[in-house]
Amino acid sequence: DADVTQTPRNRITKTGKRIMLECSQTKGHDRMYWYRQDPGLGLRLIYYSFDVKDINKGEISDGYSVSRQAQAKFSLSLESAIPNQTALYFCATETMRGEQFFGPGTRLTVL
Amino acid sequence: GEDVEQSLFLSVREGDSSVINCTYTDSSSTYLYWYKQEPGAGLQLLTYIFSNMDMKQDQRLTVLLNKKDKHLSLRIADTQTGDSAIYFCAESYTDKLIFGTGTRLQVFP
Repeated sequence: DADVTQTPRNRITKTGKRIMLECSQTKGHDRMYWYRQDPGLGLRLIYYSFDVKDINKGEISDGYSVSRQAQAKFSLSLESAIPNQTALYFCATETMRGEQFFGPGTRLTVL
Repeated sequence: GEDVEQSLFLSVREGDSSVINCTYTDSSSTYLYWYKQEPGAGLQLLTYIFSNMDMKQDQRLTVLLNKKDKHLSLRIADTQTGDSAIYFCAESYTDKLIFGTGTRLQVFP
């Protein structure tokens, strides 16, 4: 079984809809991250969490929110989706040495 | 802000060596990383180097670090078609990783 899983893997939605992307991990890592990937822009950090009580904004947090329900679960929400949030979204966990382990990604399309 | 730059594309013949280059801006980075992304998949950590090292070798992979020039490179020896992917370098910055834009490596027969 994969150590970092993301659901759904693909999602098509309409402008204005609320969307939640979920991430679960079995690696036992405290640190978790949400990124979005756009062609030619690499990965950009949305939010990160160092433990259940810790949530931090990344460079592009506007329009997004997160919830760390447990050490193993970190979900990303788009309260009112807009077309420029169409992207590939990745969740990752991290060791204390900074090694990150990525989920398979969620491809989100906002029409 | 912190910036990590890479060239976007590299094309090599199967069996040749590939060299992917990266420049970064934060001289205080403790670790620098190379990740590989295959089509339809997430990023996978390939290797990393501690900032007080100038070279690390791991089978077909060689990482070179020039701290003075803030330049990092990844050499893949005997490049195979299975090495075709996007390669990202990343530097540690405070509590986060800053990723480059990725280099798409294409291997042709």
